[in-house]
Amino acid sequence: DSGVTQTPKHLITATGQRVTLRCSPRSGDLSVYWYQQSLDQGLQFLIQYYNGEERAKGNILERFSAQQFPDLHSELNLSSLELGDSALYFCASMGDRDTQYFGPGTRLTVL
Amino acid sequence: DQQVKQNSPSLSVQEGRISILNCDYTNSMFDYFLWYKKYPAEGPTFLISISSIKDKNEDGRFTVFLNKSAKHLSLHIVPSQPGDSAVYFCAASRIQGAQKLVFGQGTRLTINP
Repeated sequence: DSGVTQTPKHLITATGQRVTLRCSPRSGDLSVYWYQQSLDQGLQFLIQYYNGEERAKGNILERFSAQQFPDLHSELNLSSLELGDSALYFCASMGDRDTQYFGPGTRLTVL
Repeated sequence: DQQVKQNSPSLSVQEGRISILNCDYTNSMFDYFLWYKKYPAEGPTFLISISSIKDKNEDGRFTVFLNKSAKHLSLHIVPSQPGDSAVYFCAASRIQGAQKLVFGQGTRLTINP
């Protein structure tokens, strides 16, 4: 158990819809990262938050957005969903020792 | 542009033998490297890391070697156990800045009894 929690574990929705994925970092970790793993792909960095502020962006689509709240949990919002957005979405948190610890992931299926 | 590459999609090793997983990178700015293990339907689990100021780091059965001149790292698992069967990802980052991880495509390791 990494100490990072993600909900929901599975999400099935239709094209055009909007969903919210939630992540709670390890106790004390200020940084949250979001990654996407599509079928047969490695993990791709989407976005990072540190103590409530956006720190870095990767190849995140404009239809996707995220935020980190004062209690340090983070949400990833995916809108106008397309079939190609079906993937595993992982969040990771990092403290002060340069290592990211991953949550169990949310499997998103867009039908 | 794939900055981190794991050229072997799969590897099969007999139980008790050494497993060697390889990873190459192209970006010389990377200075921190990590290996993660992943089972199906679970998140990646951190195994071991190495900073670019070292060339070897050992933790129990796991040893990571870094060859900066060749831009190559490897993970050695000895002795290999059936529970080691999983997908292994190497990842690289820069300690300064956002420290976002750049992952390889993964190598599926199968340990045969």
